[in-house]
Amino acid sequence: LAKTTQPISMDSYEGQEVNITCSHNNIATNDYITWYQQFPSQGPRFIIQGYKTKVTNEVASLFIPADRKSSTLSLPRVSLSDTAVYYCLVGRGQLTFGSGTQLTVLP
Amino acid sequence: DAMVIQNPRYQVTQFGKPVTLSCSQTLNHNVMYWYQQKSSQAPKLLFHYYDKDFNNEADTPDNFQSRRPNTSFCFLDIRSPGLGDAAMYLCATSRDQGASSSYEQYFGPGTRLTVT
Repeated sequence: LAKTTQPISMDSYEGQEVNITCSHNNIATNDYITWYQQFPSQGPRFIIQGYKTKVTNEVASLFIPADRKSSTLSLPRVSLSDTAVYYCLVGRGQLTFGSGTQLTVLP
Repeated sequence: DAMVIQNPRYQVTQFGKPVTLSCSQTLNHNVMYWYQQKSSQAPKLLFHYYDKDFNNEADTPDNFQSRRPNTSFCFLDIRSPGLGDAAMYLCATSRDQGASSSYEQYFGPGTRLTVT
């Protein structure tokens, strides 16, 4: 399973766009890139998934360069309620969670 | 609403006393997972069921067992809990969509286990 590297923590202010980058140098050809969000004392929640180029849904965008060795989760106009841990996972089926990024949104 | 349900949300057990955590799903997904998440750490996969086929992670202790009597239910049995087993236990499900797709995992709210 591909290993991922993310920043341990990030701070942002309300209303700003936040970009969290994940490195996954040994991603396999069939692997997907998936991001989850986790609030304290809750299970992780799926945010977005992609294979290549750009994917956008109602909450986020995911940018994947051509070599797929990294990806960037973009959260537009964050609010205080976006404070959470964000995990980048690479693979299919059973997934290995990396250390995640603690995003703190400040007023 | 279709969902993943875990009971109980909080469980206290004594050192060495067997405990069972339960998970049920109304999503009719064929894959079910159990994760262990300790404080300030990422979830760690313990094992998963693909239909009735059990798949154990290599580093999951023998103290942890699982049962899946039917599609909807899955149980985590800890035969002799130690203090180090205190954690949040997360159940998740996914639908295997075949070789051409990946599959989103749906997580339950977790059961927080305390060992005294």
